[in-house]
Amino acid sequence: KAGVTQTPRYLIKTRGQQVTLSCSPISGHRSVSWYQQTPGQGLQFLFEYFSETQRNKGNFPGRFSGRQFSNSRSEMNVSTLELGDSALYLCASRNRGLGDTQYFGPGTRLTVL
Amino acid sequence: EDKVVQSPLSLVVHEGDTVTLNCSYEVTNFRSLLWYKQEKKAPTFLFMLTSSGIEKKSGRLSSILDKKELFSILNITATQTGDSAIYLCASRVRFGAGTRLTVKP
Repeated sequence: KAGVTQTPRYLIKTRGQQVTLSCSPISGHRSVSWYQQTPGQGLQFLFEYFSETQRNKGNFPGRFSGRQFSNSRSEMNVSTLELGDSALYLCASRNRGLGDTQYFGPGTRLTVL
Repeated sequence: EDKVVQSPLSLVVHEGDTVTLNCSYEVTNFRSLLWYKQEKKAPTFLFMLTSSGIEKKSGRLSSILDKKELFSILNITATQTGDSAIYLCASRVRFGAGTRLTVKP
């Protein structure tokens, strides 16, 4: 079974721009979560989607948004980028019927200049 | 607010040593405690511990969950350089800061 895929893998943007990241979950996994990872803050939960609905949300500003499509693929959008948004963005999928185990994608490294 | 706290944050050992990584948690409606290993990019799943499975073992790695004292430990015996990684502990979507383990030859 193919793993979680994320595109693009690397991205460089400037302050004020917006960015869209994409995540394709493992086949059969309908839950997708997004995380921001920085050296100082560790892994911070952004949001979780299941059946095209946001089910859970972390403490991030409204500039961070997401959506999920009917095929379970998910996108995350960050508007009005700030320098502090530079981070590794990880997507994880899980089969909710099998518990809390998440399977992570390789991440998108976002650099904001 | 839910909390997951790991210690130590960093650890340097030599090959063959045994290490113990700690994770304490305070979460509402606790369901499970998970351990992940992160080497380069994506964290990979190691163990899931629940009230019905409080002890897990896989090769040189083992983990236990103490639901009364709200902590878990991850043990690695006979460490190898390939064990060098960040080890993450999580309950649902709440992750600890991780323990960076470095194993020297």
